[in-house]
Amino acid sequence: SAVISQKPSRDICQRGTSLTIQCQVDSQVTMMFWYRQQPGQSLTLIATANQGSEATYESGFVIDKFPISRPNLTFSTLTVSNMSPEDSSIYLCSARQGQRSGYTFGSGTRLTVV
Amino acid sequence: KQEVTQIPAALSVPEGENLVLNCSFTDSAIYNLQWFRQDPGKGLTSLLLIQSSQREQTSGRLNASLDKSSGRSTLYIAASQPGDSATYLCAVTIIQGAQKLVFGQGTRLTINP
Repeated sequence: SAVISQKPSRDICQRGTSLTIQCQVDSQVTMMFWYRQQPGQSLTLIATANQGSEATYESGFVIDKFPISRPNLTFSTLTVSNMSPEDSSIYLCSARQGQRSGYTFGSGTRLTVV
Repeated sequence: KQEVTQIPAALSVPEGENLVLNCSFTDSAIYNLQWFRQDPGKGLTSLLLIQSSQREQTSGRLNASLDKSSGRSTLYIAASQPGDSATYLCAVTIIQGAQKLVFGQGTRLTINP
């Protein structure tokens, strides 16, 4: 299965600033996904990132707040914009190689907004 | 709408015990079911993937079963060790639309030496 490198692993940011998280996959994948995990909670899907088209956002998430890039089949970024303390979470990217393949996850980015 | 439930929410057992974690889902229209492990503050590690046509999968001390018709899966951990302490997440890949992964809330497992 694919291996995903995610960075940064953690960051402490000032409110009002933005942070861009990067994910690199070691093989080409059609779909990549971005999740948020708030403290003590399970994972919530933010958006699906497709190469060559705009990302598809889930209810409650908007492009202005979480812009996503997917320039090729191995790379994606998620930006958390105009951050507030409520954005403090673990952000994870994920990918899978085929319809019946399992999902692989990056190691996560632990974001704290102060 | 697919909903995934995991019971219990937390479990604490002494080292060496065999244990079972439970997962249930409301819609049987799934491609597969996956069990993950998450250590505190970390990403997810895939443990086992069961396709919808399969009944079980095994990896070392882990065995996962799937009964799609009843919407249930179990993760069996044999001879538990302190290193097994983590949160275990169950997730299903739904067939409709973008084939998203839907997660349960997880079971936080503590193995006491």
